[in-house]
Amino acid sequence: KNEVEQSPQNLTAQEGEFITINCSYSVGISALHWLQQHPGGGIVSLFMLSSGKKKHGRLIATINIQEKHSSLHITASHPRDSAVYICAVGSNSGYALNFGKGTSLLVTP
Amino acid sequence: KAGVTQTPRYLIKTRGQQVTLSCSPISGHRSVSWYQQTPGQGLQFLFEYFSETQRNKGNFPGRFSGRQFSNSRSEMNVSTLELGDSALYLCASSLATSGNTDTQYFGPGTRLTVL
Repeated sequence: KNEVEQSPQNLTAQEGEFITINCSYSVGISALHWLQQHPGGGIVSLFMLSSGKKKHGRLIATINIQEKHSSLHITASHPRDSAVYICAVGSNSGYALNFGKGTSLLVTP
Repeated sequence: KAGVTQTPRYLIKTRGQQVTLSCSPISGHRSVSWYQQTPGQGLQFLFEYFSETQRNKGNFPGRFSGRQFSNSRSEMNVSTLELGDSALYLCASSLATSGNTDTQYFGPGTRLTVL
């Protein structure tokens, strides 16, 4: 099973700050997903990466396949970014996803 | 396009009972995955179906089962409920014609409480 580690576990930032959330995994993967979960449970897929870098608005996700590491960056953070961010990896064989424990982000005004 | 829908949204059962949860994927999506989310274990993969076939199963006991119908709608069933089965059960749909490299679209979840 692919062990997925996220850091930090909890993060508090002031509005406008640059935020980085990290994800490391133990074995090779087919793809890495970044998910956002707001209070109440709804999960939204932010990015799916198999190499390089993707950007959507103020969010940037990068992945280093050799180092088995991915980062999610939020530029100019806003209170509405407060949520749990979850990293999930797909194995090279099969269709399952393994999840990190999540990073709880609170952005204060 | 309508999103992924799950019914019911909330459910309370007692130990020993069984429960069936339903998931309707986004139109055109043929893959449905089920996940269990608990405060202690986080999100865990239950199983994935594509065109009525289970392609992958997570590390859960046989009390957890599922199926997919020809219209891609999926159900999961938990028999002989235990207190530890209390969780948020999420389903997600995707095109997923090749592996797990497609974006997954999640439903709102069914919150199951076992008393």
